[in-house]
Amino acid sequence: SQQGEEDPQALSIQEGENATMNCSYKTSINNLQWYRQNSGRGLVHLILIRSNEREKHSGRLRVTLDTSKKSSSLLITASRAADTASYFCATDANDYKLSFGAGTTVTVRA
Amino acid sequence: KAGVTQTPRYLIKTRGQQVTLSCSPISGHRSVSWYQQTPGQGLQFLFEYFSETQRNKGNFPGRFSGRQFSNSRSEMNVSTLELGDSALYLCASSSSGQPSTEAFFGQGTRLTVV
Repeated sequence: SQQGEEDPQALSIQEGENATMNCSYKTSINNLQWYRQNSGRGLVHLILIRSNEREKHSGRLRVTLDTSKKSSSLLITASRAADTASYFCATDANDYKLSFGAGTTVTVRA
Repeated sequence: KAGVTQTPRYLIKTRGQQVTLSCSPISGHRSVSWYQQTPGQGLQFLFEYFSETQRNKGNFPGRFSGRQFSNSRSEMNVSTLELGDSALYLCASSSSGQPSTEAFFGQGTRLTVV
């Protein structure tokens, strides 16, 4: 069963706009990671945030983590056509596996 | 550094057959995990191996099995294939499989059962 839920399921934005997606999970975690997947190919690691961190930045990506609400958000700023993909959050609960959310499909229109 | 390599990329099998998928991790990585991705169930964890030992197994029937070799390469096997086994099978490797370690995924093997 999946650990988390992602919201929204799909997002369509104009190039240059920001995209925000949310992830909720159910159990205590060591860290939370975000991955990107293009057209049913492999997953690409974007960013990892540890349970004792609240916010992390990487280029145009900003991730927040609220362990009290068991939720995280991923913000992509100044989106580009190449950002069109599915985005997944994954939690690591120190059990040698990642538990993935259902994913958010992002479409960036030119 | 070469990435995670999965072979074959595409596979078509008939119900009742068995299949073996292969995964070569990034050089130096000792942890290999397998995931099944389907439109209905999303990404589901199958199993994780570290130094030839299975440390965790997902909630899949016994038809799904795996192993890891001394060079960290891993294989998974599915016996008595069912139509519902059609999926993208993803392999991931990490340096240790410990918390706070990112996983590197291969391109996947697309299995179609007819």
